[in-house]
Parts: sequence; C-alpha cells; structure tokens
Amino acid sequence: EPEVTQTPSHQVTQMGQEVILRCVPISNHLYFYWYRQILGQKVEFLVSFYNNEISEKSEIFDDQFSVERPDGSNFTLKIRSTKLEDSAMYFCASQARDRGRADTQYFGPGTRLTVL
Amino acid sequence: AQSVTQLGSHVSVSEGALVLLRCNYSSSVPPYLFWYVQYPNQGLQLLLKYTSAATLVKGINGFEAEFKKSETSFHLTKPSAHMSDAAEYFCAVSDNFGNEKLTFGTGTRLTIIP
Repeated sequence: EPEVTQTPSHQVTQMGQEVILRCVPISNHLYFYWYRQILGQKVEFLVSFYNNEISEKSEIFDDQFSVERPDGSNFTLKIRSTKLEDSAMYFCASQARDRGRADTQYFGPGTRLTVL
Repeated sequence: AQSVTQLGSHVSVSEGALVLLRCNYSSSVPPYLFWYVQYPNQGLQLLLKYTSAATLVKGINGFEAEFKKSETSFHLTKPSAHMSDAAEYFCAVSDNFGNEKLTFGTGTRLTIIP
C-alpha cells in the first residue's frame, strides 16, 4: 500500500541553524500539508500546498518557514533559523482531494526535530 | 473557527471492556469529522471519518463513531478493548468548503489494563 515517507526520522540542530525536512507524498496525490506536534500538545496545522503554491498557512508559519516541491516528488519544509520552540514532531500529509468529498489525508511517520 | 474538544486526556479500560472516547465539535458549517490513532513512535493513522452520509460510521480495528448533531458530538467506541488498542487517539474536524486542513483535539491516551 502506498505510504507517505519522511526523512530524517530524527534531526538534532543548534539554535539558529537551517534545517530542511523532507517528505515523499503518495505519488498521485495533489494536496500536501505540514503539521507539527510539540511534545505533549495537540497536532497543529502549519501549511497546505497545491499546484506549486501555498493554499493556506497558519500564524505559526512565519517568514522563517518555507515549503517547496522541488522535483515533483519531494515536498520539503525549511526552517531558516531554528529556535528552541521549533522543537517538535513534524508530520507531512498528502491527499488526493477528489472534489465533493473529504478525501483522507495520509500522514507520514514524522520527523522529530530537536533544537539545542 | 472550527474546533474539537476531547474530554479526558487519559482513559484506562480493562481488556474486554467497552472503550468510549469523547469528542465534541464546534463548527459554523457542516463538519467533516475524523478519528486518527497514533501508536508509539508512529505517524497518524485514520480510524474513520464522517462525511455527512451515514451518522454511524464504522472504521478499522472494530471502532465506530456516531455523529450526533443535536449534541455536537462524535464519540468513538469499541465494544471490547484489546491490548493492541493502547495508543493516542485524536479527533479532528475540517470544513467542506474546499479548505480541508485538519483541526485536531488535544488527544486521549488510551491505556488497556490486562
């Protein structure tokens, strides 16, 4: 069964460094999302992406964040200058989005980002 | 804005007993409602979803949920708990106006007592 994959599974970085989290969505899906889950808290929406542009972003997704689909298969989340509070589990999700019904969002296993 | 509230951050049930995890929603438009499960060190897996068809929705692993508009609830149940059901369960809502980001509840950790 097709699945969303994410790399790396765990990333440790120093505060102020740039990180890139990578996701490979399911191949025929058109809509992509990033969510994050700070330890002990709920899963929060960061950004949605369709047709090579951002569809919606949350207030968390400030200028330090960017997303890209560089090669038609990968979907990346970049944090330019990490802060301690960026430490979280980051989940990628993809969705086929058949108009008229709520298509399932399929989640990857997550990347645990630790900022020291 | 849409939101979901999950009552009980931790629920413990005995193996074989009924599982009931509560979720109430708030939405100004007809909601699409979801239950996801997260096993330790894994991602989120869809258990079931309500999309305005049948109000009683059956999902994987013997779980089901009933949409009750009058109570704005979408509680998750399973008649007989199994040890493998131990996990974190998240209720989520999205709207159906083309914007389908998910808004999650705070989660309920289910513990099964042998």
